[in-house]
Amino acid sequence: DAGVTQSPTHLIKTRGQQVTLRCSPKSGHDTVSWYQQALGQGPQFIFQYYEEEERQRGNFPDRFSGHQFPNYSSELNVNALLLGDSALYLCASSYRGLAKNIQYFGAGTRLSVL
Amino acid sequence: EDQVTQSPEALRLQEGESSSLNCSYTVSGLRGLFWYRQDPGKGPEFLFTLYSAGEEKEKERLKATLTKKESFLHITAPKPEDSATYLCAVTNSGGYQKVTFGTGTKLQVIP
Repeated sequence: DAGVTQSPTHLIKTRGQQVTLRCSPKSGHDTVSWYQQALGQGPQFIFQYYEEEERQRGNFPDRFSGHQFPNYSSELNVNALLLGDSALYLCASSYRGLAKNIQYFGAGTRLSVL
Repeated sequence: EDQVTQSPEALRLQEGESSSLNCSYTVSGLRGLFWYRQDPGKGPEFLFTLYSAGEEKEKERLKATLTKKESFLHITAPKPEDSATYLCAVTNSGGYQKVTFGTGTKLQVIP
């Protein structure tokens, strides 16, 4: 049973560019959440997708957007990249139908903005 | 807004030297408190979830406990392979599953 998979593992972009990160949830999971983790910090919640809709959002600007597909996989898009967007981007999946849910994380995508 | 504070920021132990990590939280109705382990360059690995004060969970050398204001992760006779960053996180009783993380405790166990 594959866990949460993310691609690519590493990415280098320059300021002003746009980037798309991808996530496939764990089998049986229907909810995907995205987090940004700066070096030495805990993960910061970006947003969560369920039933192909953004259900909740953290304190991130509109440059951060996402999408969830019918097969529950998800994309995170970041426009007009800034140096401060350099971080590890984590995807976590869970099953919404389980009230006491647990989120399982992928290995992350390391984004470097030059 | 939910808040999670972890202490200490870093902890260095000799192999076999037991200790505890602290997680203090403020949340509008706790739904669950989670402990994760994170190795460098990797995603967090789930360890425990606790739902109500007084609850305890154990796994090998780790034991997590929960009160109404804080949680402890007790490490008994640690080994070098226990070296990692330990993250605490909470979810509230709101309708969605937003998870708020602390900044973690970086544990180093020296042989």
